[in-house]
Amino acid sequence: ETGVTQTPRHLVMGMTNKKSLKCEQHLGHNAMYWYKQSAKKPLELMFVYSLEERVENNSVPSRFSPECPNSSHLFLHLHTLQPEDSALYLCASSQDPLAGSGTQYFGPGTRLLVL
Amino acid sequence: QKEVEQDPGPLSVPEGAIVSLNCTYSNSAFQYFMWYRQYSRKGPELLMYTYSSGNKEDGRFTAQVDKSSKYISLFIRDSQPSDSATYLCAMSAGAGNNRKLIWGLGTSLAVNP
Repeated sequence: ETGVTQTPRHLVMGMTNKKSLKCEQHLGHNAMYWYKQSAKKPLELMFVYSLEERVENNSVPSRFSPECPNSSHLFLHLHTLQPEDSALYLCASSQDPLAGSGTQYFGPGTRLLVL
Repeated sequence: QKEVEQDPGPLSVPEGAIVSLNCTYSNSAFQYFMWYRQYSRKGPELLMYTYSSGNKEDGRFTAQVDKSSKYISLFIRDSQPSDSATYLCAMSAGAGNNRKLIWGLGTSLAVNP
């Protein structure tokens, strides 16, 4: 595997379910990100991890819970989601989030539908 | 006013046309400018990266930054059907607390054979 991989690619869940999204980067990067992409909205940054430490959390509801066990893996745990949470969830990685150059590499995303 | 404005289109052009995609921004502190391309059912991929003002060329793609006008452009020469995608601009002010990328909405481009 190369680049950034995400599983599952598609997910349908009810509002009472608990599920997790998984991301893995094979680029040797130090930082990982979760983004939400919805129609007619710009990419929304949700969480940033640098060297496994969360450095940014952009007022995301607590029903989204990130986990970064090491610099190569990132999870997004989901519980009691709402229909408006249906979107494409993108994982990205970069070499150094604090340098500000912005060169991020994205996975293919998980298309989430909440019923 | 949004920090970054980008016309979502859709933009439809014939094969071989020159395509011009643009973003305007309001934060004069932005100095890193990027264009990402996103194919359907894929994540965005970095296409062009420019620091500060000026032009950058890579094959059929040219990125321009005009900081005085707060305006960035991506030109695609000899456009191909394989260029059909959504093009997103993104920018940041730099390191530390200003490192966050601010994204445009993306412009949907269709190149017709």
